[in-house]
Amino acid sequence: GAVVSQHPSWVICKSGTSVKIECRSLDFQATTMFWYRQFPKQSLMLMATSNEGSKATYEQGVEKDKFLINHASLTLSTLTVTSAHPEDSSFYICSASGLGPEGDTQYFGPGTRLTVL
Amino acid sequence: DQQVKQNSPSLSVQEGRISILNCDYTNSMFDYFLWYKKYPAEGPTFLISISSIKDKNEDGRFTVFLNKSAKHLSLHIVPSQPGDSAVYFCAASGGSGGSNYKLTFGKGTLLTVNP
Repeated sequence: GAVVSQHPSWVICKSGTSVKIECRSLDFQATTMFWYRQFPKQSLMLMATSNEGSKATYEQGVEKDKFLINHASLTLSTLTVTSAHPEDSSFYICSASGLGPEGDTQYFGPGTRLTVL
Repeated sequence: DQQVKQNSPSLSVQEGRISILNCDYTNSMFDYFLWYKKYPAEGPTFLISISSIKDKNEDGRFTVFLNKSAKHLSLHIVPSQPGDSAVYFCAASGGSGGSNYKLTFGKGTLLTVNP
């Protein structure tokens, strides 16, 4: 069964609104969570690394004020896309690192499809 | 600058034959490599990994080979099955296998296994 869940699985919003995406590790504690985005036929691009209880580390070129990450507990991280615009439309995937059913590795969520109108 | 390259965007093989997926990397600091399988609109699923201290790792039908001098790795699937049809991503890390190190992904190769 799934070890990492994401909610919502898809969302459509109007330009200028904010959208929050949740990433939860199920049945294991994740000290580190990662947020990726994927454009069609492209690779997964790491946006930020999030450690529980501390500020996220953003990759070069990713606006931290636009993509707010909160890692409030060992099982939950949230990504908020603030003032979303059509160019933010993408597939957002989180991963959680920890000791899960396949051992100590990163487990990926099913992704969230964001469409900004 | 693509640090992990999968130069074949697609591969088509016959059921029962071998599938060979290739991956090249440029960053000498990478010391741990992983292969993921991904279906459309789903997250990647871990398949197999290899540490830079090894040159081969096998798990059932899946074998990963690593050539450090050439900065090249490959995933062999034998025998290939129609259910293997998916996008395969190669990923690399500099964390010696630690799960809390960030991964750098290639663009993926779409494998189609024909019955």
